[in-house]
Amino acid sequence: SYELTQPPSVSVSPGQTASITCSGDELGDKYAFWYQQKPGQSPVLVIYQDKKRPAGIPERFSGSNSGNTATLTIGGTQAMDEADYYCQAWDSSTGVVFGGGTKLTVL
Amino acid sequence: EVQLVESGGGLIQPGGSLRLSCAASGFSVSNNYMSWVRQAPGKGLKWVSVIYSGGSTYYADSVKGRFTISRDNSKNTLYLQMNSLRAEDTAVYYCAREVTVGRTGYYFDYWGQGILVTVSS
Repeated sequence: SYELTQPPSVSVSPGQTASITCSGDELGDKYAFWYQQKPGQSPVLVIYQDKKRPAGIPERFSGSNSGNTATLTIGGTQAMDEADYYCQAWDSSTGVVFGGGTKLTVL
Repeated sequence: EVQLVESGGGLIQPGGSLRLSCAASGFSVSNNYMSWVRQAPGKGLKWVSVIYSGGSTYYADSVKGRFTISRDNSKNTLYLQMNSLRAEDTAVYYCAREVTVGRTGYYFDYWGQGILVTVSS
């Protein structure tokens, strides 16, 4: 079955750039999607089709996907960005797959 | 405005059954792919099941044969019938609208607030 791997945690200072990676076999040949989930809340889509931002998502959120790795980048990270982030892809054999999630801490 | 509201969760004994509902507004359930995604306490997101606009249904291996996804177009509501429940089914269950991108991209643009299902004796 297809799997996506994320680092369990990432720390960043306010105003700095945070990068969260998501690894999977030939992930660059698939679309990657990213969700933000704050404690006690439902997930929110922040990046779709590798690098597109839904309406209402700040420009500081960006994405890329190449080779075996997709990356969510948050430029000028703010305290409000502290959350869990999940990558997601679709595989023809496995279906919808989520990464294990990354807890972003803004120190 | 798109809205998804789940109901029907609660505490159930192992081996029991429960039916979750997801009332949709702002769009038609019948014209969209609709999924259930669950999240065990302190854990990550796991896809559970999908019903396509054409009516085809698919399930994660962990629930296949025990869970059934369905919809009532007249009520614009999605359901998840859960039978033979196990402790490992304990989770917050979210309904979500699934968007397709060609043949290789599926993602979720709207999520419900989630409903807790606890399987315990």
